[in-house]
Amino acid sequence: AQSVAQPEDQVNVAEGNPLTVKCTYSVSGNPYLFWYVQYPNRGLQFLLKYITGDNLVKGSYGFEAEFNKSQTSFHLKKPSALVSDSALYFCAVRDTGGFKTIFGAGTRLFVKA
Amino acid sequence: DSGVTQTPKHLITATGQRVTLRCSPRSGDLSVYWYQQSLDQGLQFLIQYYNGEERAKGNILERFSAQQFPDLHSELNLSSLELGDSALYFCASSSGAGKSNEQFFGPGTRLTVL
Repeated sequence: AQSVAQPEDQVNVAEGNPLTVKCTYSVSGNPYLFWYVQYPNRGLQFLLKYITGDNLVKGSYGFEAEFNKSQTSFHLKKPSALVSDSALYFCAVRDTGGFKTIFGAGTRLFVKA
Repeated sequence: DSGVTQTPKHLITATGQRVTLRCSPRSGDLSVYWYQQSLDQGLQFLIQYYNGEERAKGNILERFSAQQFPDLHSELNLSSLELGDSALYFCASSSGAGKSNEQFFGPGTRLTVL
């Protein structure tokens, strides 16, 4: 069965420092991977996706993610964190059939000024 | 603003009642998805429609049903409500139904069952 794991409930980082939010997945076949962000009292916003091709995917707001097939990971990264990046981040995978999206439990990112 | 609208924003009702949540997708999007977000269950996929047809079902209870109308808006009907149904319900849309389509989420409807 397909699954997504976000091993950290919360990540704390100082403003200006690089950040990483971790995600590992389990799917049969080629994975279709997504990152979304949720700000307080808002819906989720799409950040980036990996479908095929280059393992380093660039997305919105300076975020990028690195797909690693051997480690079945898709970690979200940003070179320099901003206080405004503080939010809840979700990793997601489309299942083999392609119709269901399975979300991780979410990781709360807290960026301290 | 994602372009996806949901009404109402908040809904307070009693156990045993029935409610309807409404979603209008982004202009041109044919797929509509419904999700339930709660503290204990996280974000759970409920159901997907594509151009009026049910495409996929997730963890949707028998008491819940949905449909997508010819104008592509969708409604999620929740009946015989229980306290545990209190949650944030999101609608999302995408242009297609394929694996590569990212979803655009509405602001959600917060349902409180008393």
